[in-house]
Amino acid sequence: GENVEQHPSTLSVQEGDSAVIKCTYSDSASNYFPWYKQELGKRPQLIIDIRSNVGEKKDQRIAVTLNKTAKHFSLHITETQPEDSAVYFCAASRMDSSYKLIFGSGTRLLVRP
Amino acid sequence: KAGVTQTPRYLIKTRGQQVTLSCSPISGHRSVSWYQQTPGQGLQFLFEYFSETQRNKGNFPGRFSGRQFSNSRSEMNVSTLELGDSALYLCASSSAWTSGSPEQFFGPGTRLTVL
Repeated sequence: GENVEQHPSTLSVQEGDSAVIKCTYSDSASNYFPWYKQELGKRPQLIIDIRSNVGEKKDQRIAVTLNKTAKHFSLHITETQPEDSAVYFCAASRMDSSYKLIFGSGTRLLVRP
Repeated sequence: KAGVTQTPRYLIKTRGQQVTLSCSPISGHRSVSWYQQTPGQGLQFLFEYFSETQRNKGNFPGRFSGRQFSNSRSEMNVSTLELGDSALYLCASSSAWTSGSPEQFFGPGTRLTVL
C-alpha cells in the first residue's frame, strides 16, 4: 500500500550547520510532495513543496530535491538557526481529485546554539 | 482570511462514549481533510470531503465517520470510543487543484483523551 518512510527520526545540528532529511515513497503515482514544520503544541505548517515535474526547488535557506526514478525526496536546510528546531514531516500525494496526504513519521530537528 | 478553526480544542471522554468534532475551513475552501496524530503512528489520513461528498477514506474502522455541510464546515464522529482513540485530531482545508495551489492548511486540532 501507500507508504512514506522518513529518516532520520531525530537530528541534532550546531547552529549554522546544514540539516538534511530524507523520504522515500512507495506509490509511483505520487506527484506532489509537501514538507510541513510542526513546532511544539502548534499546527503543522507548509514550508515548501515540490511537484514531480520539477527536480529541485529552493526558498531562501530551504530547498527540496526530488528523484522520481528512485522515488525519494529530501529537505535541505542551510545555515540552521535555533528557531528551525521543530518536527518536520514529509508527505506524498497524487495530484488527482483527492487531497489525501501520506505522511512520513517525522524528524525531530534540534539546532544547538 | 481567517484560518482553519476547530472546536472543541480539548475533550475528555470515557470508553464506549461517542464524540463529535467540528472543523470550519478557510473561506472559499471546499475540501476538508481529517488526520489523526499520535506519537506512535504519526499523522494518518482519516477521510476527505469535497462539496459534501466523501472522496477518499483512510484505513480506519467504521466507528470513524464524517460529513460536510453545504457551507463546507465538516464534522467527524467517533462512536464507541476506545483508549487507542486518544489523539490529536487535525483537520485541513484546501482550495481546488485548479487554483494551482494544492496546499492544505491545518487547524489547531482537537486533543481527545479517552479514559
